[in-house]
Amino acid sequence: SQTIHQWPATLVQPVGSPLSLECTVEGTSNPNLYWYRQAAGRGLQLLFYSVGIGQISSEVPQNLSASRPQDRQFILSSKKLLLSDSGFYLCAWSGGLAGGDTQYFGPGTRLTVL
Amino acid sequence: AQSVTQPDIHITVSEGASLELRCNYSYGATPYLFWYVQSPGQGLQLLLKYFSGDTLVQGIKGFEAEFKRSQSSFNLRKPSVHWSDAAEYFCAVGASGTYKYIFGTGTRLKVLA
Repeated sequence: SQTIHQWPATLVQPVGSPLSLECTVEGTSNPNLYWYRQAAGRGLQLLFYSVGIGQISSEVPQNLSASRPQDRQFILSSKKLLLSDSGFYLCAWSGGLAGGDTQYFGPGTRLTVL
Repeated sequence: AQSVTQPDIHITVSEGASLELRCNYSYGATPYLFWYVQSPGQGLQLLLKYFSGDTLVQGIKGFEAEFKRSQSSFNLRKPSVHWSDAAEYFCAVGASGTYKYIFGTGTRLKVLA
């Protein structure tokens, strides 16, 4: 069966510090991968998605970036965090059917920027 | 542009009462529709999905949803709510031909004992 991991579970970082959140998927190959941010009362905001190694689509201009160095690994990064980067970050994967496959979500990372 | 609207931010129901959570979407073609549930501090879990065929879809935990094309709606229902159903519920649309999903802003359900 497929599983999706995210770490760390929680993170407290000072403004201006770098960020690296990691997401890995097991039990499937060539998944579509997604990063979302969830702010209180604002639902899920799609940040990045990837349909293959090295292929990253950015949805929202910001100081975050994403990389996919391996088929089942998706990394969210920042060189300098802002207060507004605080939130709950969710990684998800889906199969190959464009728009039609179920997304499966990881447990999330709670990021607090102070 | 594609969009998903969940008009109710908060809903409170008594345990054992029936539940309906509303979802309206805007999309040019027949969409793929999903309902997810999120417990506090956790990821999202799929309740049910609609791709085609029968417009009444059964999901896990006793939930069902009905796709109404004429109303652009995909409302979630449960005949008798349990205290463990307290959570946040998200409706989502998968856009055919793209790899993106659009989520509503969620409805937070509170269940009174």
